[in-house]
Amino acid sequence: QLQLQESGPGLVKPSETLSLTCSVSDGSINSSSYYWGWIRQPPGKGLEWIGSISYSGTAYYNPSLKSRVTISVDTSKNQFSLMLTSVTAADTAVFYCARQTEALSGSFNFDYWGQGTLVTVSS
Amino acid sequence: DIQMTQSPSSLSASVGDRVIIACRASQSIGNYLHWYQQMPGKAPKLLIYAASSLQSGVPSRFSGSGSGTDFTLTISSLQPEDFATYYCQQSYNTVPLTFGGGTRVEIK
Repeated sequence: QLQLQESGPGLVKPSETLSLTCSVSDGSINSSSYYWGWIRQPPGKGLEWIGSISYSGTAYYNPSLKSRVTISVDTSKNQFSLMLTSVTAADTAVFYCARQTEALSGSFNFDYWGQGTLVTVSS
Repeated sequence: DIQMTQSPSSLSASVGDRVIIACRASQSIGNYLHWYQQMPGKAPKLLIYAASSLQSGVPSRFSGSGSGTDFTLTISSLQPEDFATYYCQQSYNTVPLTFGGGTRVEIK
């Protein structure tokens, strides 16, 4: 069964860069059938899609975050990563990585998720 | 962006009740609508994709319906393990993918 695991600092200072990595196991990231995404959830609030990337490196981002976000992929390590620059307290959230699949044409959803990691932005 | 509005935002129900959660899109999205269940402190879990297709392993008491702008998730007989928050998500516009605000199902 595919597993995803987020890793990275749990505390980031304001104005600095948040960096997280998602390690994929029991399955290959090197597949044209899937994209790999990041979703965040502020404490007590709903879900927000950050962006997704293919195994070949094609990425697309939420326009609300696009100027601050970079998602990259490392197929040799079966990992993909998130960088979010110039963070503020409003970026405090649980960050999830997930596999984005297209079960039916155009029907993109997230079928496997990591457990999530809480990142707090505070000095 | 396509806005997704869920109703109610929370509800109280008893074990065995039939529960219906609604999700409305700000524009027509065909059947590009998916439902997730999130237990406290856990990652969301995909329940229904493409409005009405049951994800593998999900109990048959969960069902989805709708198309265009109005969708529903139905739990035919609520079980203790179903008390959670439920989210809808659209993929008609892939940038950005958007979620509803969630519906919390609590024990009456």
